[in-house]
Amino acid sequence: GESVGLHLPTLSVQEGDNSIINCAYSNSASDYFIWYKQESGKGPQFIIDIRSNMDKRQGQRVTVLLNKTVKHLSLQIAATQPGDSAVYFCAEIDSNTGKLIFGQGTTLQVKP
Amino acid sequence: GAVVSQHPSRVICKSGTSVKIECRSLDFQATTMFWYRQFPKQSLMLMATSNEGSKATYEQGVEKDKFLINHASLTLSTLTVTSAHPEDSSFYICSAIDLGQGDRGYTFGSGTRLTVV
Repeated sequence: GESVGLHLPTLSVQEGDNSIINCAYSNSASDYFIWYKQESGKGPQFIIDIRSNMDKRQGQRVTVLLNKTVKHLSLQIAATQPGDSAVYFCAEIDSNTGKLIFGQGTTLQVKP
Repeated sequence: GAVVSQHPSRVICKSGTSVKIECRSLDFQATTMFWYRQFPKQSLMLMATSNEGSKATYEQGVEKDKFLINHASLTLSTLTVTSAHPEDSSFYICSAIDLGQGDRGYTFGSGTRLTVV
């Protein structure tokens, strides 16, 4: 069935460096994407979202890029901090059902 | 902002017993709530969509008689794991939609760690 997947299960970066987390999606009808951060033992926390009519969206230290041609989504975190260590999920909303479908997830490890 | 409260945060039960997990929207009304299950180092898997005043819609492969969902009010949905077995041990997370926030309104509870012994 339709799914949203991630390329890398674990990403390790040095504190202060920029992080890039990638995601591939398969449902070409999806028009809304969200990045979530999940810390151990907690529920997902909204980070940033983007609609399909946009290529880029920036937040505080985070940027999401959307390439609809290749169905690729990325999350960029600037000046990564130890507090950014968590699992990051991309998710898409099925425009027909309203269901929020999660991708595989990437564990971000920030080394001091 | 929208807050979803999930209770209990942790529960240990014996095999064969049933466990009820509550999901409450504290400052908004949620006609739709979602229940997810997450195994260690895996993603969130959608189990079912809970609709206020009507039957839940279950995803393929999820046993509706085992995972009973009740959404009797606009602020409360419950998931009951019946006749629990060790393989039901998992992290269960609910999400409620706050229509006042549009598409951003998917707010998650803090999850329930279920351990069946």
